[in-house]
Amino acid sequence: EVKLVESGGGLVEPGGSLRLSCAASGFTFSTYTMNWVRQAPGKGLEWVSSIGTSSASVYYADSVKGRFTISRDNAENSLYLQMNSLRAEDTAVYYCAKARVDGYKTGFDSWGQGILVTVSS
Amino acid sequence: QSALTQPASVSGSPGQSITIPCTGTSSDIGVYYFVSWYQQHPGRAPKLIIYDVSNRPSGVSNRFSGSKSGNTASLTISGLQAEDEADYYCNSYTKTSTLVFGGGTKLTVL
Repeated sequence: EVKLVESGGGLVEPGGSLRLSCAASGFTFSTYTMNWVRQAPGKGLEWVSSIGTSSASVYYADSVKGRFTISRDNAENSLYLQMNSLRAEDTAVYYCAKARVDGYKTGFDSWGQGILVTVSS
Repeated sequence: QSALTQPASVSGSPGQSITIPCTGTSSDIGVYYFVSWYQQHPGRAPKLIIYDVSNRPSGVSNRFSGSKSGNTASLTISGLQAEDEADYYCNSYTKTSTLVFGGGTKLTVL
């Protein structure tokens, strides 16, 4: 059974930093593209970032480019999202999601339970 | 990249069929077959129900089907059931190598 568990969320002041982690199990982590998707309170889904199997390919939404960094550790079956220069509009539940294949274009077939990040003074 | 356009809400009675349209542009839906649909129940994580326009993942009911025409993709749910009441989101790959979601559609089963 695929399992994705996010951690590292919480309350942070504007301009601050936070690092999210996602622990994966139940599948061969190193062979799938991994992703972050967020959802602001009461709002819709927003794709944040994707990373290929070898970390050579990374992609970001314009809204986070230059502030967020996605990374992975295939030896530890873990996905990360380093979030810097946080803004109020980054407040959201952040989901870790596994792509169907080695590629991020064709859908995310497993999701974590999500972790809340609140940016507020 | 602007969000794909979906109606805020749709409704239908048990047993009926409904269709949720998702309108994009010639930079996303119009040029790619990388359209996915997700179902999200309140307080739950999204669930993939359609990928690559019209394909269903293993375990997803065949009451869910997808299609595309021009810049618009559509999700059709046939034989509506109470458990189908949820939010539905479309998603597409774009020419700028990003992904874009629709604003979401709340389905009410009357």
